[in-house]
Amino acid sequence: GAGVSQSPSNKVTEKGKDVELRCDPISGHTALYWYRQRLGQGLEFLIYFQGNSAPDKSGLPSDRFSAERTGESVSTLTIQRTQQEDSAVYLCATRDAYGEQFFGPGTRLTVL
Amino acid sequence: DQQVKQNSPSLSVQEGRISILNCDYTNSMFDYFLWYKKYPAEGPTFLISISSIKDKNEDGRFTVFLNKSAKHLSLHIVPSQPGDSAVYFCAASAQNNDMRFGAGTRLTVKP
Repeated sequence: GAGVSQSPSNKVTEKGKDVELRCDPISGHTALYWYRQRLGQGLEFLIYFQGNSAPDKSGLPSDRFSAERTGESVSTLTIQRTQQEDSAVYLCATRDAYGEQFFGPGTRLTVL
Repeated sequence: DQQVKQNSPSLSVQEGRISILNCDYTNSMFDYFLWYKKYPAEGPTFLISISSIKDKNEDGRFTVFLNKSAKHLSLHIVPSQPGDSAVYFCAASAQNNDMRFGAGTRLTVKP
C-alpha cells in the first residue's frame, strides 16, 4: 500500500482485557512511532523504533503497555489489563529520510 | 513535561482573513519543526516544516516562521478558507529523532 495502515480501525473492549493494535509501515521507512491522543488532548509520544536499535520506550505510560517491531516490518502495540483511561486514538507513524512523518488513520480504542 | 506548547486550544477567523497559529517550545536541542493538520476521524497529515537554519518557509498559502531566540514558531494561513478548518499540531524534533507534539489548536474558518 501507499501509506501507513493500522488495524483494527475501532476496538471496543472490556476493562481488564488485553488488546493488540497493529501498524503496517510504509516500505523502506526505518523509523516508526506510536502515539496516543486522548479526547481533548494533544498527541502523546509512546514509543519509537529506529531500525535494529533498541527502541525508545520513554513515553510508555505504564508496564501494561508494550510494543514490538521486527526489523522494518509490522509493529504491534499491546495493552494488557486495559483500563478506561486507556481509551484513546492510537496513531502509528513512519518517517522518511527527510524527517517527514506519515501517519496512519489510527485505531480508536474504547474501554468500557 | 510539555516541551511543545500550543496555548490556544481554538481559533476562529473569517474566510479570507489571516489565521495565525502559535507554538512555543522549551528544548533548545530541537532543530526541526513541523506543522500537521488533522481532520476528524483521520490521522494527522504533514503540512509544512522548517529547520533551525531558517527563519521562514513558505508554501502557497502557508508560511511558517521560526524565532529561535524566543523558542517560538507560528503558522500563517492567508487567505483562510473554510476547508482549512481542522486541528493543527505543532511538532519539534531533535537529533535523536524523538518528536514531540503540542496539544493542538482547533481552527474554524467561517464563510
